[in-house]
Amino acid sequence: AQSVTQPDIHITVSEGASLELRCNYSYGATPYLFWYVQSPGQGLQLLLKYFSGDTLVQGIKGFEAEFKRSQSSFNLRKPSVHWSDAAEYFCAVGASGGSQGNLIFGKGTKLSVKP
Amino acid sequence: GAVVSQHPSRVICKSGTSVKIECRSLDFQATTMFWYRQFPKKSLMLMATSNEGSKATYEQGVEKDKFLINHASLTLSTLTVTSAHPEDSSFYICSADPFGGSADTQYFGPGTRLTVL
Repeated sequence: AQSVTQPDIHITVSEGASLELRCNYSYGATPYLFWYVQSPGQGLQLLLKYFSGDTLVQGIKGFEAEFKRSQSSFNLRKPSVHWSDAAEYFCAVGASGGSQGNLIFGKGTKLSVKP
Repeated sequence: GAVVSQHPSRVICKSGTSVKIECRSLDFQATTMFWYRQFPKKSLMLMATSNEGSKATYEQGVEKDKFLINHASLTLSTLTVTSAHPEDSSFYICSADPFGGSADTQYFGPGTRLTVL
């Protein structure tokens, strides 16, 4: 069965420090992979997605993620965190192709940023 | 572009009443919309897939008679929580796909916080 694991429930980093949020997935075929950010009480905003091609994906707000098939991982990174990045981050996997459009989400990682 | 709205953003109701939540795609048509439920400190769980002009497809364990979904037009899907109980309190989020239900691109609404007293 498809699943997504985000091992870190809560991470705190200092403003200006680098960030890496971990995501591991279980999927039988080539997955579509996504990272979303959710601010308190808000919906989800897509940061980036991977379908195929270059395994290093650039997203909005200075985020990037690298797809590593051998490790079944799709970790999110940012070289320098800003206070406004404090939010909940969700990794998700979706079926590649076909009409199965729903996404399977991880449990999320809450990011706190220290001044 | 590709904005999805939800109404209301927040609702409080008494146990036993029914609550309707609307999900609208504002600048595109969506034959498929998805309804998710998010528990506190938990992930989003897909409840059902809403298809315009046909019956919704519910995920295992979701009571279709309790969570009524109507996708009457290409820009509107509604979720009605019938005979709501405190355990139905949650954050409900919809998403819409302008390209017919693939995972490629979904746009999420801002969510509706339901509190059942």
